[in-house]
Amino acid sequence: GAVVSQHPSRVICKSGTSVKIECRSLDFQATTMFWYRQFPKQSLMLMATSNEGSKATYEQGVEKDKFLINHASLTLSTLTVTSAHPEDSSFYICSARALETYEQYFGPGTRLTVT
Amino acid sequence: AQSVTQPDIHITVSEGASLELRCNYSYGATPYLFWYVQSPGQGLQLLLKYFSGDTLVQGIKGFEAEFKRSQSSFNLRKPSVHWSDAAEYFCAGTSGTYKYIFGTGTRLKVLA
Repeated sequence: GAVVSQHPSRVICKSGTSVKIECRSLDFQATTMFWYRQFPKQSLMLMATSNEGSKATYEQGVEKDKFLINHASLTLSTLTVTSAHPEDSSFYICSARALETYEQYFGPGTRLTVT
Repeated sequence: AQSVTQPDIHITVSEGASLELRCNYSYGATPYLFWYVQSPGQGLQLLLKYFSGDTLVQGIKGFEAEFKRSQSSFNLRKPSVHWSDAAEYFCAGTSGTYKYIFGTGTRLKVLA
């Protein structure tokens, strides 16, 4: 149980375009979803926290207009990178938390390359 | 401020040798603690977790960790390392906000 999927696993886009990454909890309802960014050989950096039906809460220094997060249902959250630039290239990982638990379940990650 | 620290950036051990990866935490109350492993280009895999109770926690792949409140530590151990254990290891903690704080990671290299 407690499986989280991400789609796509890899995406290449051109500079200036937007790309959407989906995060789904497959067998539980996710009260809260989290989006992380990971640069090569570095740890995970929390970008934002989203609760179903509410606006996402962004961490300091994360541009909310560039990284649009939607959590429209208890099983789906999306991250849209708008007007992507090469510096947005990174590994993006989502996680999901069920109600009354502290544990997060992580998706397999999405490798974004902006050319 | 809350923090999770992994003092060792790189560790190299020989195959068959024992392993201990260090993790220290700083929280106002006892946090929930986790160890994850990440292979290159892959997501995180949970090795083990500590919520409460027995301070010696058994995980997958032969790993264990011991919670020591007096030392604010949650070190990961394995009695005999296999070449396939080479990876990046992350310690993480969480408390009342549900947010995880990750350590900076320890890269394990295994010599044949």
